[in-house]
Amino acid sequence: QVQLVQSGTEVKKPGASVKVSCKASGYTFSSHYIHWARQAPGQGLEWMAIINPSGGRTTFAQKFQGRVSMTSDTSTSTVYMELRSLRSEDTAVYYCARDSIGTYVRGVFDIWGQGTMVTVSS
Amino acid sequence: DIQMTQSPSSLSASVGDRVTITCQASRDISNYLNWYQHKAGKAPKLLIYDASTLETGVPSRFSGSGSGTDFTMTISSLQPEDIATYYCQQYNNLPYTFGQGTNLEIK
Repeated sequence: QVQLVQSGTEVKKPGASVKVSCKASGYTFSSHYIHWARQAPGQGLEWMAIINPSGGRTTFAQKFQGRVSMTSDTSTSTVYMELRSLRSEDTAVYYCARDSIGTYVRGVFDIWGQGTMVTVSS
Repeated sequence: DIQMTQSPSSLSASVGDRVTITCQASRDISNYLNWYQHKAGKAPKLLIYDASTLETGVPSRFSGSGSGTDFTMTISSLQPEDIATYYCQQYNNLPYTFGQGTNLEIK
């Protein structure tokens, strides 16, 4: 079935980097954009960025410009999101999500990964 | 950025009740509005897109309406499995933004 499977829990110190993976299966990986969003404890959802798995073009929320990068590996149908210069406010569950329409960005997230908890603590 | 204001922030209702959640955008987003259901420890689930179109497999007791700046999602007859937090999300402009969520509980 169509699914996104993310990497496991991470614990990092302030100033470090974290790289979260999102492996797609059950559909043509290169056809659908992948979004990243996060949810801090007690907070709502926050959209972070989007990547075109075919070609790797990315767009980021201004808040994360310069601290986030994303890459795509079509050979393994996996997208990676790296967040640098971590601070305690980055403690959150990070989700990848598939854009529902192939070939262009729509902004409807029809399949979500299970989430990756990232804790930033000294 | 477009701000999405959801109300109420929490809601307690009985099984069988009709439940309505509202979402207001800070500016016109046409019908570019989604609703998601998020259960604790699970991935969010798409319920409604384009403000009123039910995602495949979503029970018909869920419905959505609205356009412009004011939107609603209704559960016609609340079921125990509907306990979750519900979010609206606009996709008229980047960055996509979510409402702060409505935590739905059974009375």
